Amino acid sequence: QVRLQESGPGRVQPSDTLSLTCTVSGVSIVAHSWNWIRQPPGKGLEWIGSISYSGDAKYNPSLNSRVTISLDMSTNQVSLKLASVTAGDTAVYYCARVPSITWGEFHFDHWGQGTLVTASS
Amino acid sequence: EIVLTQSPATLSLSPGERATLSCRASHIFSSYLAWYQQKPGQAPRLLIYDTSHRAAGVPDRFSGSGSGTDFTLTISSLEPEDFAVYYCQRRGAFGQGTKVEVK
Repeated sequence: QVRLQESGPGRVQPSDTLSLTCTVSGVSIVAHSWNWIRQPPGKGLEWIGSISYSGDAKYNPSLNSRVTISLDMSTNQVSLKLASVTAGDTAVYYCARVPSITWGEFHFDHWGQGTLVTASS
Repeated sequence: EIVLTQSPATLSLSPGERATLSCRASHIFSSYLAWYQQKPGQAPRLLIYDTSHRAAGVPDRFSGSGSGTDFTLTISSLEPEDFAVYYCQRRGAFGQGTKVEVK
């Protein structure tokens, strides 16, 4: 079955770059679109961005200048980099799959369990 | 950019009761909306996509409807495991969530 597993440092220094990896099993990342979503403690969900198998990346305009999402097809992994982090970037970070995109519309059908990243010195 | 507003923020009901959750969009768009359920310490779980299609394994007590700017998630008869937070989503926007709690 499809499984997504996030990994990376649980703590990042303010002004540093947050780097996370999502390891996908059960399906090739060559198909589908892969997304990052975050959730600050006790708050709602925020879409960070997505990348398709073709490498086409889209980002939340509020984070656009700081975010990079990429694919590594050799390891079936999706990565997230968020530059210049502040305390406001403290959140649980999820990777999620979009099975298909129809006329620009999509939903997230498989999620990782999430990883908490705290931006603090 | 679309804004999704969910109401109420909290819904206090008893097991067996019917739950009606609302998601209102800031402007009209194609009728494509998804709903997710999230329990404490867990990732969100897809319940409904394309406004009214249940995801695999979702019980038929969950149903979605709506069009234009107004969408609804209905749980016909609450089971103990249904008490959770529910989010609506369209493209890169999420609603702020509705918590369904035990009365």
